[in-house]
Amino acid sequence: GAVVSQHPSWVICKSGTSVKIECRSLDFQATTMFWYRQFPKQSLMLMATSNEGSKATYEQGVEKDKFLINHASLTLSTLTVTSAHPEDSSFYICSARDRRTIGNTIYFGEGSWLTVV
Amino acid sequence: DAKTTQPTSMDCAEGRAANLPCNHSTISGNEYVYWYRQIHSQGPQYIIHGLKNNETNEMASLIITEDRKSSTLILPHATLRDTAVYYCIVRFSTNFGNEKLTFGTGTRLTIIP
Repeated sequence: GAVVSQHPSWVICKSGTSVKIECRSLDFQATTMFWYRQFPKQSLMLMATSNEGSKATYEQGVEKDKFLINHASLTLSTLTVTSAHPEDSSFYICSARDRRTIGNTIYFGEGSWLTVV
Repeated sequence: DAKTTQPTSMDCAEGRAANLPCNHSTISGNEYVYWYRQIHSQGPQYIIHGLKNNETNEMASLIITEDRKSSTLILPHATLRDTAVYYCIVRFSTNFGNEKLTFGTGTRLTIIP
């Protein structure tokens, strides 16, 4: 299957600072990428849909000014957690749609652990 | 997207076939059935998907009932590495719009040595 890579795999930051997570589609172009958050022992929750060259679409209850999403190229989307607080500590996962496949299969990155101290 | 219903947990003996059921009685004609699994602390891994016909790949087989209201994921020879949470998801697939994946609680499959 197609490869989606996230960086960093884990990051620790101080409360009040901002942290950026990158999501790359390595062997295909992705006009659409998705960002999820997962708390321990819970399922994945969709945060936003990232569209190349346009503004992201956020799910209800997700603060767009806190979770900045940029999808400037067909292979890269970034999620910036601004003014991070301990409650933002979570597992963040991106995914990308591969339009080459029948059914436009969505592939996921490895995830990024964020710990805010 | 149509909702799915899966058992909360299942056990399977190592080396045996693991059969994971999924109900999606409200699925519409152009929604695909997707299966993903998530091993602890990793991103979900794509397994297989199908629309109407049964599908097979190197990882698993997907059996979809004729009325498309349910499906079964089959792992033919389960190994300890197949222990994971398995998600059955139905979604539209078009070249327009966002076709997002909505995750339920999935089935926690434990392979027993």
